[in-house]
Amino acid sequence: NAGVTQTPKFQVLKTGQSMTLQCAQDMNHNSMYWYRQDPGMGLRLIYYSASEGTTDKGEVPNGYNVSRLNKREFSLRLESAAPSQTSVYFCASLDRAPKDEQFFGPGTRLTVL
Amino acid sequence: QQQVKQSPQSLIVQKGGISIINCAYENTAFDYFPWYQQFPGKGPALLIAIRPDVSEKKEGRFTISFNKSAKQFSLHIMDSQPGDSATYFCAASRRRGSQGNLIFGKGTKLSVKP
Repeated sequence: NAGVTQTPKFQVLKTGQSMTLQCAQDMNHNSMYWYRQDPGMGLRLIYYSASEGTTDKGEVPNGYNVSRLNKREFSLRLESAAPSQTSVYFCASLDRAPKDEQFFGPGTRLTVL
Repeated sequence: QQQVKQSPQSLIVQKGGISIINCAYENTAFDYFPWYQQFPGKGPALLIAIRPDVSEKKEGRFTISFNKSAKQFSLHIMDSQPGDSATYFCAASRRRGSQGNLIFGKGTKLSVKP
């Protein structure tokens, strides 16, 4: 039982390059989330997926797209990376019972030069 | 508009002391208030949570105090240990009739000195 896994762990991009961050969970959770974490800013929601086949914008969606490939996998795409997207990205999935607990992956540290 | 305000930004406590982190929220529809703990290089993990029908919840050395009228809640860590050194995030959500998305505070970096 791996929980929530993310790939890659680290990535360096040049401005304008594109990339996809991968996330998978093996806990059979319906809801999945993408957050970014910046110093002093806490965790900000980029996009979420309440169930397979649905996605919705969070607080900071500009510059990102997502795909809920199936119940297990939720990917985040940067089409044209900008230095402002330098951040640590976390994927999470939600277990609504009994604690309404979000389980987080280990994160992807992205630097855009 | 920041819906959950957390303070302090950083906190240094001596081993054995009490660590206190405070949060305030604005949306009275929130009905679930968790605290997440994050160690360096790791993702956050749920530490303890409370619903507004109780004023206090205790799990081991960790206690949440909740003041519904003031729209405030706080985390108390008793007998703080160096292993408690981490970043703590408070959060709030509306469970009933919604997706239950969490709104996080900006975090408090706790350092417990030996």
